[in-house]
Amino acid sequence: DAEITQSPRHKITETGRQVTLACHQTWNHNNMFWYRQDLGHGLRLIHYSYGVQDTNKGEVSDGYSVSRSNTEDLPLTLESAASSQTSVYFCASSDSTGMRAFFGQGTRLTVV
Amino acid sequence: DAKTTQPNSMESNEEEPVHLPCNHSTISGTDYIHWYRQLPSQGPEYVIHGLTSNVNNRMASLAIAEDRKSSTLILHRATLRDAAVYYCILRDGSSGSARQLTFGSGTQLTVLP
Repeated sequence: DAEITQSPRHKITETGRQVTLACHQTWNHNNMFWYRQDLGHGLRLIHYSYGVQDTNKGEVSDGYSVSRSNTEDLPLTLESAASSQTSVYFCASSDSTGMRAFFGQGTRLTVV
Repeated sequence: DAKTTQPNSMESNEEEPVHLPCNHSTISGTDYIHWYRQLPSQGPEYVIHGLTSNVNNRMASLAIAEDRKSSTLILHRATLRDAAVYYCILRDGSSGSARQLTFGSGTQLTVLP
C-alpha cells in the first residue's frame, strides 16, 4: 500500500543547530506540504511544492527551507533551530487535483 | 480564502448519529468543501469532500445546503474511535488554484460511552 512516512518521529536538538526532517511518500503525488501544529494555533503551512524543483513559501516559512529533487521526498530544514520552532511537524501529499491529502504521523521536535 | 465557522466542541453518545455543522457564508462557486479529522497524536485524516451535491462514503455523509452557505458532516453511528477534532475546509477547485489546505480550529468531538 502507498504511504507517507516521516522521520524521525521524535527529536531533541539544541538551539542554533541545523535540523532536517524527512518526508517520503510512495503515492507518486506531485503536491507535498509541510505544516506545523502548536497548541492554540492549529495547523499552519510552512512550505509546499507542486512538483520537482518547485518550492513555495507558506504562512510561517521564516527559518525553514525545503528542496524537491524527486517526486517522493520533501525534506524540511531548520537552518538554525530556535526554541520557537519547538512544535509537531506534519508532512502531507496530494495528487494534482488536491482533492484528497494524506498526512504523515508527525515529527515532534523539541529545541532546547 | 473563504472562511468557515465551526463550534469549538460537541458531545455525542456512542452509537448515536452526530451532526457536525459548518458555516461558510462567503463560499464561492468553485470552492470545494473538505472535511478532515485529527485523532489524538495523529496526523489529519481525509473524511469526505463535496461541491454541490450531498456525498456519502464509508466513513460519513456530507449534506450541503442548497445555497452552499453551510454544510453538515454526518457520522451515522458514533464510536469512541470517532473522538477527534473535525476540520471543515474550503478549497478553490478552479484550474490553477492553490492546492494546499488552510486549517481553522475545528470542532472537538467527544463521544461518551
